[in-house]
Amino acid sequence: DAGVIQSPRHEVTEMGQEVTLRCKPISGHNSLFWYRQTMMRGLELLIYFNNNVPIDDSGMPEDRFSAKMPNASFSTLKIQPSEPRDSAVYFCASSGDGTGELFFGEGSRLTVL
Amino acid sequence: SQQGEEDPQALSIQEGENATMNCSYKTSINNLQWYRQNSGRGLVHLILIRSNEREKHSGRLRVTLDTSKKSSSLLITASRAADTASYFCATGSPSGANNLFFGTGTRLTVIP
Repeated sequence: DAGVIQSPRHEVTEMGQEVTLRCKPISGHNSLFWYRQTMMRGLELLIYFNNNVPIDDSGMPEDRFSAKMPNASFSTLKIQPSEPRDSAVYFCASSGDGTGELFFGEGSRLTVL
Repeated sequence: SQQGEEDPQALSIQEGENATMNCSYKTSINNLQWYRQNSGRGLVHLILIRSNEREKHSGRLRVTLDTSKKSSSLLITASRAADTASYFCATGSPSGANNLFFGTGTRLTVIP
């Protein structure tokens, strides 16, 4: 299996622009997680899905952030409009093999100028 | 917050020495996991210990869990330069939900 695949790996954009991050979980996994990592705040859970349904989005910072999972093999995290404080590495992870272990993608490094 | 805290924040040791990292957390858990993150990469799962377990081994890794003190430790024996990375503990909710809350991490540097 290719593992969790995220795109883009790097994104540089200007304040006010829309940003869309993409994630393909491991096939057969039924849970998907979006995390954000910064030096100041560490790893923060933004939202997670179970069987494509959002279960807990209490970590989503504000209405500018939205996440969707239209099917079991694809999820997006959208920021509109983006702000410099959104600069971070965004990780997608999936689980569902019964071990409780999360499998992480390599992350999308976002820089908002 | 359920977020754990690792201690120390940074650790530098010579190759061959043992490295011990500690994790403290605040709420009840059903399991605790340790992850490793190499610079610029995603996190990789190392080991999981359930709340009814006290110690677990995997290769050069030894994890202990003390639920009465809400703490865990990760010991890496006979460290290698390749062990240089950040190490995070993560706690699972007793509610059965499978989301994990991560600690702040320990940055380990192993000097060859």
